[in-house]
Amino acid sequence: EVQLLESGGGLVQPGGSLRLSCAASGSTFSSYAMSWVRQAPGKGLEWVSGISVGGSTYYADSVKGRFAISRDNSKNTLYLQMNSLRAEDTAVYYCAKAYDTLTAYLFDYWGQGTPVPVSS
Amino acid sequence: EIVLTQSPGTLSLSPGERATLSCRASQSVSSSYLAWYQQKPGQAPRLLIYGASSRATGIPDRFSGSGSGTDFTLTISRLEPEDFAVYYCQQYSRSPSTFGGGTKVEIK
Repeated sequence: EVQLLESGGGLVQPGGSLRLSCAASGSTFSSYAMSWVRQAPGKGLEWVSGISVGGSTYYADSVKGRFAISRDNSKNTLYLQMNSLRAEDTAVYYCAKAYDTLTAYLFDYWGQGTPVPVSS
Repeated sequence: EIVLTQSPGTLSLSPGERATLSCRASQSVSSSYLAWYQQKPGQAPRLLIYGASSRATGIPDRFSGSGSGTDFTLTISRLEPEDFAVYYCQQYSRSPSTFGGGTKVEIK
């Protein structure tokens, strides 16, 4: 059974930075693409960023240039560095695992989410 | 980007009834790369259906998906108490992957 555990969320002021982590267990972490998906309070799901097995990175336009995704396969951990945070980045951030090697954005396992409120 | 529009926004039904949820895409979703997720309050989404019609592991057969191109449907044949939740469709054929706005299935 795959388990994903996010950490690093918390209250941050506009313009501030935060780094989220997602620790994976129960699967060969290095074999799967991973993504971050967020959900603003009372709203729907929004894909934020993804990273391939080979380390190629992809971003939603709304976070491009401000967020950076990375992975450390030796630690089975996914990261999201968030800079220049805005109020509209306020959301619960989920890490999600790709279903297989061919479908990077189909997610079969999700973490429990970590909240990131951006407010002064 | 592909915009997914889900309808209705809210579906009020009783246990045992049939639920039909719709997801319409602004462009054709190639290879039927369309998924459905269930989300309950305070929980992460759960994958139900992928490839428009394939059930994920452990998903009961009362859940079924159909459709192709731009029109997709999730059907719950007989609602169980644990099925009352929000359902999202997602296309994963083209980057960026996008989600619909969700349909809430509530107890009537």
